Amino acid sequence: SQELEQSPQSLIVQEGKNLTINCTSSKTLYGLYWYKQKYGEGLIFLMMLQKGGEEKSHEKITAKLDEKKQQSSLHITASQPSHAGIYLCGADKGNFGNEKLTFGTGTRLTIIP
Amino acid sequence: EAGVAQSPRYKIIEKRQSVAFWCNPISGHATLYWYQQILGQGPKLLIQFQNNGVVDDSQLPKDRFSAERLKGVDSTLKIQPAKLEDSAVYLCASSLVTQQGAGEQYFGPGTRLTVT
Repeated sequence: SQELEQSPQSLIVQEGKNLTINCTSSKTLYGLYWYKQKYGEGLIFLMMLQKGGEEKSHEKITAKLDEKKQQSSLHITASQPSHAGIYLCGADKGNFGNEKLTFGTGTRLTIIP
Repeated sequence: EAGVAQSPRYKIIEKRQSVAFWCNPISGHATLYWYQQILGQGPKLLIQFQNNGVVDDSQLPKDRFSAERLKGVDSTLKIQPAKLEDSAVYLCASSLVTQQGAGEQYFGPGTRLTVT
């Protein structure tokens, strides 16, 4: 089965600083999804990456999928308190018609004013 | 557009008792998922429905967990009898059917279950 490892497990960053979260897979990633979760709430979709070398941005968040499609990074520029939460990467098994996601263990991000 | 609704939001029960969770997906979403998220871990898929049929329930502990999606809309997840290790947040998600893999899933707020 596919395993996703996220690093770091937790991150404390001063407001305004940049940060990066990594997601590494034991197998080739056919689809890589980034979600954000706030305490007591469900997951919110951020971005989806499918092609090797692909990069997507939304506001101050940029996600990349490496050429070999086994690692993804999520980069936040000039962090704000609203960025605090748990970031989860999820991987698609790659069999079209089987829409099952396997999630990593998450990275807890804390922003210090 | 209304999001995925779940109830109750919180539930505390004693071990060996029964509990049921309810989910109402986004209108028009054919695929519905139930996930279990234990504290400090990522969500783990328990069961996936497409319309009212089960697509994947390989990780559902069938001796105590059951789920149904009658009429292909609302769904209920039941635990009977509950164990201490069932304490977790139970998340429901829905998505449109897509030919390009999992696609974007929309999550409800979850039900936090505490088994004492």
